[in-house]
Amino acid sequence: NAGVMQNPRHLVRRRGQEARLRCSPMKGHSHVYWYRQLPEEGLKFMVYLQKENIIDESGMPKERFSAEFPKEGPSILRIQQVVRGDSAAYFCASSPNGYEQYFGPGTRLTVT
Amino acid sequence: QQQVKQSPQSLIVQKGGISIINCAYENTAFDYFPWYQQFPGKGPALLIAIRPDVSEKKEGRFTISFNKSAKQFSLHIMDSQPGDSATYFCAASYSNYQLIWGAGTKLIIKP
Repeated sequence: NAGVMQNPRHLVRRRGQEARLRCSPMKGHSHVYWYRQLPEEGLKFMVYLQKENIIDESGMPKERFSAEFPKEGPSILRIQQVVRGDSAAYFCASSPNGYEQYFGPGTRLTVT
Repeated sequence: QQQVKQSPQSLIVQKGGISIINCAYENTAFDYFPWYQQFPGKGPALLIAIRPDVSEKKEGRFTISFNKSAKQFSLHIMDSQPGDSATYFCAASYSNYQLIWGAGTKLIIKP
């Protein structure tokens, strides 16, 4: 059983461009979470999704950020018009039941 | 009420010693308490977790001690090894909800 897959692992974007981060959950997992981590800091919750539904997006900025988990395919975290402050590691986690969360390797976004 | 307070921020332990990291919470609705281990450049890995109906859970060299009345839980790493050097995060959640994370403890095991 493959673990949580995230791609790309590293992403460089210029200010104003769009960033698309992908997450494929573990097989059989219907819960997906996105977190953001700055260097030397803990993880900050962004959004919790189940198939085709956003359950909780309280940690995600209202502007420029969006997330989806379609019926088919990976979950996508989209950041429009990126700014330098968006530079961080973005982690996706999946869960079979909403408790145990298994994390992917992360996408490191650098905005130049 | 939603915070999880973790201490210490950093910890240095001699090889073979016991590493102890503590966490405290306020929300009595929390019903799931995991510990995660994170190496530099990697995602957090679920290490061990406990529910509040149990006071202790052991998996190999890792033990969680849980004190419901004090609203505290701790991670003990027995016979600590250099390969255990990592950042450790405690967390808490309830009812299918998001994990609330501690700030992390950077553990260094000296050979």
